[in-house]
Amino acid sequence: KQEVTQIPAALSVPEGENLVLNCSFTDSAIYNLQWFRQDPGKGLTSLLLIQSSQREQTSGRLNASLDKSSGRSTLYIAASQPGDSATYLCAARKSGGSNYKLTFGKGTLLTVNP
Amino acid sequence: EAQVTQNPRYLITVTGKKLTVTCSQNMNHEYMSWYRQDPGLGLRQIYYSMNVEVTDKGDVPEGYKVSRKEKRNFPLILESPSPNQTSLYFCASSLALRGYEQYFGPGTRLTVT
Repeated sequence: KQEVTQIPAALSVPEGENLVLNCSFTDSAIYNLQWFRQDPGKGLTSLLLIQSSQREQTSGRLNASLDKSSGRSTLYIAASQPGDSATYLCAARKSGGSNYKLTFGKGTLLTVNP
Repeated sequence: EAQVTQNPRYLITVTGKKLTVTCSQNMNHEYMSWYRQDPGLGLRQIYYSMNVEVTDKGDVPEGYKVSRKEKRNFPLILESPSPNQTSLYFCASSLALRGYEQYFGPGTRLTVT
């Protein structure tokens, strides 16, 4: 059974810092890995999708990497801003079977202080 | 605008009173699913649908029903809600089962008293 872990559970940084959020998964047989952002009481917004054949994806100040063999993904946020404050979730999509289910981590709550 | 919509956004109900949470997407997506999100447990899949008339159970299907009669709609039905179904519910869709981003609705906060 796939388990996805995100460390740390919470992170507080001053504005302008570069930071890394970590995501690890136990089963490397994944189809892709997706990073989401969730604002309090709101839905999930997709940030980046990395296919299993890719090593990284970039969008603006965000860069996500994937190392399937070690079961790890990281989300790098450059020059953080208070507007980046949110919970960040990673989700691994299972490869094979009938569901290709997404398994979510419990998230990292990021606070960027002005 | 491409989106997944859910209604209602907030619902307070009593034990045993049947309810339906609607979900609709306007992106012609084949794959739709329902999740619940609970503190400390994260997001868990309830049911999913790979296309019209094709549905299957996720991790926590007990107490829920779904149907997929049209491609765009995937309602979640609680025939006899109980307090342990108090949760934040999300509908999601993607173009197909594999390889595509999953898009989420805004969520429905359900309280069962």
